[in-house]
Amino acid sequence: SQTIHQWPATLVQPVGSPLSLECTVEGTSNPNLYWYRQAAGRGLQLLFYSVGIGQISSEVPQNLSASRPQDRQFILSSKKLLLSDSGFYLCAWSLGGVRYEQYFGPGTRLTVT
Amino acid sequence: GENVEQHPSTLSVQEGDSAVIKCTYSDSASNYFPWYKQELGKRPQLIIDIRSNVGEKKDQRIAVTLNKTAKHFSLHITETQPEDSAVYFCAASRRDSSYKLIFGSGTRLLVRP
Repeated sequence: SQTIHQWPATLVQPVGSPLSLECTVEGTSNPNLYWYRQAAGRGLQLLFYSVGIGQISSEVPQNLSASRPQDRQFILSSKKLLLSDSGFYLCAWSLGGVRYEQYFGPGTRLTVT
Repeated sequence: GENVEQHPSTLSVQEGDSAVIKCTYSDSASNYFPWYKQELGKRPQLIIDIRSNVGEKKDQRIAVTLNKTAKHFSLHITETQPEDSAVYFCAASRRDSSYKLIFGSGTRLLVRP
């Protein structure tokens, strides 16, 4: 069966520091991968998605970037964090094809101080 | 652009009563409609979904109905229990290469014992 991992689980970073969040999926190949952000008490904002290695689509202009160096690895990065980057970052995957279902990882709670 | 509106934003019901959450989508090409349940501090969990070729789907105490003409779909929870208390999100997706989901803003459901 498929499993999705995210790390770290929690992170406290100062403003202006860099960021790297990692997501990996096990038990499947060539998944669609997604990064979402959820501000406290708010909804789910799609940040990036990827349909294959090296293919990244950005949904919202911001100081974040994403990369997919391997088939089942998705990385979210920033060179300089802003206070507004605080939130709950969720990675998700789907099989695509005739399978629409999308499943979320456990998330990373980021606090920018 | 694509948009999903969700109502109500908060819903309080007595244990044993029914709860209904409604969503409206704007993209007529949308053909997949999942519902997620998110407990406090946890990841969203897929609880039920429906495709555009089906008008209703039921799984024990939860059901989803879809009206393609009116472009709206609803989640119905019967015999509510305190453990149903959570935030519920609807979403819509069109069949393209991204399979990305457009989420509603969420409904906070409180089931009073």
